[in-house]
Amino acid sequence: GQQLNQSPQSMFIQEGEDVSMNCTSSSIFNTWLWYKQDPGEGPVLLIALYKAGELTSNGRLTAQFGITRKDSFLNISASIPSDVGIYFCAGQSGNNRKLIWGLGTSLAVNP
Amino acid sequence: NAGVTQTPKFQVLKTGQSMTLQCAQDMNHNSMYWYRQDPGMGLRLIYYSASEGTTDKGEVPNGYNVSRLNKREFSLRLESAAPSQTSVYFCASRTGERDTEAFFGQGTRLTVV
Repeated sequence: GQQLNQSPQSMFIQEGEDVSMNCTSSSIFNTWLWYKQDPGEGPVLLIALYKAGELTSNGRLTAQFGITRKDSFLNISASIPSDVGIYFCAGQSGNNRKLIWGLGTSLAVNP
Repeated sequence: NAGVTQTPKFQVLKTGQSMTLQCAQDMNHNSMYWYRQDPGMGLRLIYYSASEGTTDKGEVPNGYNVSRLNKREFSLRLESAAPSQTSVYFCASRTGERDTEAFFGQGTRLTVV
């Protein structure tokens, strides 16, 4: 099935470092969503983006909806150990009821 | 304030056994979804229900059936479980409007031996 290209696949960083991950699609999307999944839990929404060019922050997290509507990025500043988990992007095109998902970025933070 | 509730949380089945995974949401959402998550595969859509009374296949529907019992509940049934169905299953719901996020349950960890 259709999937987003999410990169990097995994990251191992030191506490305090900034993190950047992104998703790209061959299709135009009208919604970009960023989720975090902790071990043993379901994904939880971090940031939702609905307009091209939109830049939205949630604490230390910042995400942007690309101008071309085919990409989005998520930045985490000053990482802390509780940022560990898997980060997923998801997008929706047109009036499609289904979300398209990236394969996730696994983040490990070394204290 | 429950959101999306899945039961059971854990299950072990023998090959060939059947079971139903239950999902209920209390947010008055129109759309509900069943995903499976396997290592390195991300979230793959099994079935979804855009609104009460409708269901549609997703990417990986083979071996599964669903029932949208009412607006709140969406169940996933494995008629004859196979080891390849060992996975973590997530239920999710959305309002059904165009630009909205999905809310997830905590997952059902299913092992088929």
